Amino acid sequence: EAGVAQSPRYKIIEKRQSVAFWCNPISGHATLYWYQQILGQGPKLLIQFQNNGVVDDSQLPKDRFSAERLKGVDSTLKIQPAKLEDSAVYLCASSLHRDSGELFFGEGSRLTVL
Amino acid sequence: SQQGEEDPQALSIQEGENATMNCSYKTSINNLQWYRQNSGRGLVHLILIRSNEREKHSGRLRVTLDTSKKSSSLLITASRAADTASYFCATVGNQFYFGTGTSLTVIP
Repeated sequence: EAGVAQSPRYKIIEKRQSVAFWCNPISGHATLYWYQQILGQGPKLLIQFQNNGVVDDSQLPKDRFSAERLKGVDSTLKIQPAKLEDSAVYLCASSLHRDSGELFFGEGSRLTVL
Repeated sequence: SQQGEEDPQALSIQEGENATMNCSYKTSINNLQWYRQNSGRGLVHLILIRSNEREKHSGRLRVTLDTSKKSSSLLITASRAADTASYFCATVGNQFYFGTGTSLTVIP
């Protein structure tokens, strides 16, 4: 079974530029999460999707971050414009459904903002 | 805001010793999970304990949960160098929240 795929693995941009991350969850997984992990900290939930609907985006900085999950499969997370403090690893995770237990994580996309 | 707080923040032990890390949380949960993260990689699920369970075992892992104290512990017995990683608790209620993590170093 293929795992959660994320791209790009690494991205370096200058502040005020934009960036987009892509995630393809495990086939059949209805729930998809985006987490931000700053170096030395635990993952912080940015947004949770159930199929193509948003369940929770309370911690998403909506003035600069946006995310979508068209057709309830792939998802993209965009940052525009980026700030220095956005430097982090962006982790995508999926689960079979909302109450199914464990999350399956991708390898993450490491963003450096200069 | 993040739900769980782990302690210690960092732990260094000799191979063969046991490693214990603790997680405290603030609100009610459906279950609590532990994850492992190797440097530069994604998180991997280790074990899940439901709110009505007090203890659970999986291989060399033992997890306890005390809902009255809102705390959990993860014990790794007979540690190996390959156990070197960061360990996170995740509290699951309406949402999934991760703790701050414990960095474990097992010295060969």
